[in-house]
Formats: sequence, structure tokens, C-alpha cells
Amino acid sequence: AQKVTQAQTEISVVEKEDVTLDCVYETRDTTYYLFWYKQPPSGELVFLIRRNSFDEQNEISGRYSWNFQKSTSSFNFTITASQVVDSAVYFCALRDRLDYGGSQGNLIFGKGTKLSVKP
Amino acid sequence: DGGITQSPKYLFRKEGQNVTLSCEQNLNHDAMYWYRQDPGQGLRLIYYSQIVNDFQKGDIAEGYSVSREKKESFPLTVTSAQKNPTAFYLCASSIMFGTSGRFHEQYFGPGTRLTVT
Repeated sequence: AQKVTQAQTEISVVEKEDVTLDCVYETRDTTYYLFWYKQPPSGELVFLIRRNSFDEQNEISGRYSWNFQKSTSSFNFTITASQVVDSAVYFCALRDRLDYGGSQGNLIFGKGTKLSVKP
Repeated sequence: DGGITQSPKYLFRKEGQNVTLSCEQNLNHDAMYWYRQDPGQGLRLIYYSQIVNDFQKGDIAEGYSVSREKKESFPLTVTSAQKNPTAFYLCASSIMFGTSGRFHEQYFGPGTRLTVT
């Protein structure tokens, strides 16, 4: 069965520290997509990135970077030089193909990691 | 501006009453979803709809109902049969890859916080 594990429930850092949020996934499919979302205190989930299973290149977007490792089924997210505005709950999610039916390719979310960045 | 709107942001109801949460999108997305979020938990899928007049149960559909009469609207009714309705409800939508039947990432509305006493 598909599963996403975010083992870190809460992380607290001081501004300007680097922080890595871990995500480990399980799927039997060879074609799948991984996502990261940010949920600030306002509640709305903000899409950050989508990565497909055939693209193992790491991605960098400003202070954000993602490390996709198929060998360890991980898709970790690093924030460099963290800022107070980065404080939020971050969710990792998985979607595999429709072929398995049932889920019809819907997203499976981890339980989230709450990041607190203190000034 | 294109986006997803959910209203109201906060909703209070007495136990035993049905309540309908609104979700509207003007993104021309094909699929729409309803999720429930409880404190310290991830999102759990209640219902989803990939085309008008069709919808499917998610993981926790009991005590909920939906309709999809228009592409841009997907209201969720929390019925009195739902044992623990107090939660944060999020609506999302996504667009299909051409005619593949597969969907892009989901975009979320601001959510409705429902409190039932």
C-alpha cells in the first residue's frame, strides 16, 4: 500500500539556520509523483513542488532545495538560511498511477512537520 | 484573480444539524476534492469528483455527501450521521493532463473551520 512518513513532528530552529525536513514514501508503482506543500497559520495549503519518479535531479528554488533519492525512497526538503516567514506545517505527498484503481491517483499525505523559526 | 474560494471561513452548528460547506473554483479545473484535517494530522480524503455529475468516495466518506452539478462548484454537506464533524475542511482542485485521465498537482482553498457543539 502507498504510504508517506514524515518522522519529524516538530522542528524548531533559529533564523538563518539551515533545516531539512524528511519524507520517506512507499509505493509498489514505478511511476509516481511526489509533492511538497506548505501550510502557514492561515490554513491554506500552498503547492511548492512536484517531482516525477523518473527525474532524480535535485531541484533548487531560491532558499528551497529538494533531494530525491529513489534508492532510499526519500524526498527531503531543505530550507537554507531559514526565516521567520518559513514557519508553517510542511506536508509531503505521493500520487501513483490510476491503474491501481481505488485511489484513482489521488494524493496520499504524510502527517506533516511543524517548523518553527525563531528570530 | 483565479482561485478557489471556500465559505464561510468559520462555521458553528449545533449537534444534529446538517451543514453545507461551499467550494467554488474559477480555474477551469476538471477535478475537485474535499479533505478533512484534524489537529496534528495529515489530510484525509472525503470525496472527489473528476467530471461533472460524477463523484467518488474517498477514505472517510461516511457521514458526508457531495454534489457536482457544475464544473466550478463542489459543495460538501456534513450530515448529522457524521460522529465527529468538528474539523478543518479543505477543498482542492486540479487539472487533467490532456485526455489522459491523470491529474496535475492539487491547488487548495483557504479552508472552513467547522465547530459542532
